[in-house]
Amino acid sequence: GESVGLHLPTLSVQEGDNSIINCAYSNSASDYFIWYKQESGKGPQFIIDIRSNMDKRQGQRVTVLLNKTVKHLSLQIAATQPGDSAVYFCAENNAGNMLTFGGGTRLMVKP
Amino acid sequence: DSGVTQTPKHLITATGQRVTLRCSPRSGDLSVYWYQQSLDQGLQFLIHYYNGEERAKGNILERFSAQQFPDLHSELNLSSLELGDSALYFCASSVLLGTGELFFGEGSRLTVL
Repeated sequence: GESVGLHLPTLSVQEGDNSIINCAYSNSASDYFIWYKQESGKGPQFIIDIRSNMDKRQGQRVTVLLNKTVKHLSLQIAATQPGDSAVYFCAENNAGNMLTFGGGTRLMVKP
Repeated sequence: DSGVTQTPKHLITATGQRVTLRCSPRSGDLSVYWYQQSLDQGLQFLIHYYNGEERAKGNILERFSAQQFPDLHSELNLSSLELGDSALYFCASSVLLGTGELFFGEGSRLTVL
C-alpha cells in the first residue's frame, strides 16, 4: 500500500492495550478540531470531532481530550485492535472549512 | 467506501505536461475540497467549492486550477508539471458548511518524471 510519510512519529502498542495519540496545535483562535484515520492506500477517514467549548468527547472506543490552555489535543483508543493500525491526523478547522492537518502519527498494533 | 469517486487512480506523466483529475462527490454533497498529500508536506488544503462557487483557497499554485460543474463533480487541472508536483491528490466532499466531517476519496497518485 501507499506509504504516508517516511518520517512520521510511530506509536507501537500491544493488541488490547489502550493507545494515546497526541497533537499540539498552534492557533489559539481555532475552535474546532477533528481526528482522521488513514489506512494504507486509502483516503483519510473521519473519526471524531470536538469544539472548543468542550474538553472531552467520547465515541465508540475513542475519546478526544482538548486542553486549550496548552493547545493540546489527544485521541485515546480503548482496547486497540489490529484494524486500528493506521496513520492518525489531527486537524483544525479554520475559517471557511479549511482544515489544517497536523503531520500525523503512525499507530502500529502488535498482535 | 466513502462514496467519493476519483479518477484516475494512478497517472504518470512528464515534466511540462498538463493533467486533469476528476472527482465525483457523494450524492447530495454540495461541497468539494481538494487536498495534496506529499511525503514532505503532509496533507495540504488546496481549494474548496460549494455548489459551483469557490469558497476558500489554500496554498494552491497558479499552475493549478479547479472548477465545480453544475452536476457537482469537480476537476483539478495541473499544468506545466514539475517533479515536485508528484503527490497524492485527494478530493473530499461534505454536505454541510462548517463541518469537519469530510468524506475523502481514495486519491489520485500523480507521478511526474
